[in-house]
Formats: sequence, C-alpha cells, structure tokens
Amino acid sequence: ETGVTQSPTHLIKTRGQQVTLRCSSQSGHNTVSWYQQALGQGPQFIFQYYREEENGRGNFPPRFSGLQFPNYSSELNVNALELDDSALYLCASTFDEREQYFGPGTRLTVT
Amino acid sequence: GDSVTQMEGPVTLSEEAFLTINCTYTATGYPSLFWYVQYPGEGLQLLLKATKADDKGSNKGFEATYRKETTSFHLEKGSVQVSDSAVYFCALKGFQGAQKLVFGQGTRLTINP
Repeated sequence: ETGVTQSPTHLIKTRGQQVTLRCSSQSGHNTVSWYQQALGQGPQFIFQYYREEENGRGNFPPRFSGLQFPNYSSELNVNALELDDSALYLCASTFDEREQYFGPGTRLTVT
Repeated sequence: GDSVTQMEGPVTLSEEAFLTINCTYTATGYPSLFWYVQYPGEGLQLLLKATKADDKGSNKGFEATYRKETTSFHLEKGSVQVSDSAVYFCALKGFQGAQKLVFGQGTRLTINP
C-alpha cells in the first residue's frame, strides 16, 4: 500500500489557463518527484524536491514549477497551458534514495 | 543520456503461456533497474527491481535478471493469468544525482482466457 494521494483525479482546463495539482506523500517520505505521462507513452521526469528544495529537473520549460511544503506534500503548477500538456501527471514519494511509490495520478485535459 | 528501450507491443497471449518482455538500457555507471506495472486507470506499481549486475528480481511469479554484459533486464513469467493484463514499464535509476526514473515506452499485455 503506497499511501501517496493526488488531487484532483481529473481536471479539464482551457489553453492559456493555469493549473495546480497536489500530492500528499507517504508518511515518512522526504522526497517527491513529478512525472508527465502522455497517452501511450512512458512517464517523463519533470522535477524532484528534497526537503523543500528542487533537487533535479527534466527537460520541461519554466512554466512547469513546483513546491514542497514542510509536511513534504507537494504542488505542481503549470502556467499558460498548451494542448500538449494533456496527460496523466504522476507524483512519487520516497525516503532518501529508496524506491519510489507512485500515486494514482491526475488526468489533465487541455481543450 | 540514459535511456530504456522496450519491445514494442501490444502483446497478446493465452492464459498459462510463457511471457517475455524485452528491455535494454543505455546508462553511465551502474544504474538500478525496475519493472513497473500499470493497471487500467491506475498509477504505477513497482513489480520488481535489481540494483547490481547478476541480481535477479522476482515478485508474483515474474522474474528479471540484471545483465550488464548485454545491458538487458528482460521480464519473464512462466504461466500468465488473465489478471496479468496491464501495461508494463521497464525503468532505470542512475547511480548518482537526482533520484529520477527513466522509463521505457511501455508494453501493453493482454491475456485471453
């Protein structure tokens, strides 16, 4: 049982809008990573936070930003939404360098 | 950069058939290797892992062996069940830097009764 939760489950936005996705880490985990999974593809790493600091970033533009809070929950913010941002967004938490546990994801549709 | 290549799907088998899903990787150093499974409408679940050469990961009848000489981590199961129908992802994690996972494109497996 992973214990990682994400909200909302589904979301529909219009091109140009902004969106915030939320992730609650598994208890005791201090690291959270975000991934984007386009339809029919494998997940792509967006960025990672360790103890509230960004600890690595994938090949995503600056309009993708994040936060990690003192309780290790996290947010992913995407500004100026584009149609190609439509995807399943996955959050994964871990403690230090141990294995990552994934949440169920947020399905974002941009129209 | 690091990358993972999986055999293209979809794969359709009959129940009790033998399963192999091929996975090869490119990475510097000594990555850890993983297989994740994704059931319809759900997130990813870790199926098995191996952290060094010649390690064998196993879980729920699935196995995969870390082969450094062939840079491979093929997933196998001796007798599949309908409940194994899902999408399977091979992934690696580099040995240093951010704890990011690099995934293959996924292989959709369908088991017919």
